[in-house]
Amino acid sequence: GEDVEQSLFLSVREGDSSVINCTYTDSSSTYLYWYKQEPGAGLQLLTYIFSNMDMKQDQRLTVLLNKKDKHLSLRIADTQTGDSAIYFCADQSTGGGNKLTFGTGTQLKVEL
Amino acid sequence: DAGVIQSPRHEVTEMGQEVTLRCKPISGHDYLFWYRQTMMRGLELLIYFNNNVPIDDSGMPEDRFSAKMPNASFSTLKIQPSEPRDSAVYFCASSSITRFEAFFGQGTRLTVV
Repeated sequence: GEDVEQSLFLSVREGDSSVINCTYTDSSSTYLYWYKQEPGAGLQLLTYIFSNMDMKQDQRLTVLLNKKDKHLSLRIADTQTGDSAIYFCADQSTGGGNKLTFGTGTQLKVEL
Repeated sequence: DAGVIQSPRHEVTEMGQEVTLRCKPISGHDYLFWYRQTMMRGLELLIYFNNNVPIDDSGMPEDRFSAKMPNASFSTLKIQPSEPRDSAVYFCASSSITRFEAFFGQGTRLTVV
């Protein structure tokens, strides 16, 4: 089945950029997503990228997709303490309905 | 729209009891998903529905788990009998065929003692 992997932890200083990485195995992925989960809350969609795109920018967020290497990254510019959360990447493939396969999540800690 | 609504937010029950979790998807969405989140296993898809019909229940851990979607605006996930290892946060999510991203509810934190 599909597999999505992420590193577990990332610590950055406030004001620096954060880069969260994700690898996936499904060759037929159509959309790839980044979700944010704050403590005790549900998952909030941050952004997504269609599989025929290389990059997508949305304010402080930049998503890069290397389809050949099946590598996805999320860059957060000027990281703030409010960005501290768990970040999940997820992939969605054709033939799988609309279901998402989630990575393990990366806990981002922003230090002053 | 109020988003995906789940109830209860927290549930504490004794081992062996029946537990029912409820979900109201976003109006107009065609797909409904039930996920379970634990520290050990992360986010697991349990089952999903399309137009109220169960499409894939391969993630349902055991026969103790069952899910229904009697209409487009309501779904339940039932555990009978519950066990301590069922303790987790259960999320419901919905999406539409026209906009693929899934919107999540706030989750139900289940504790089985």
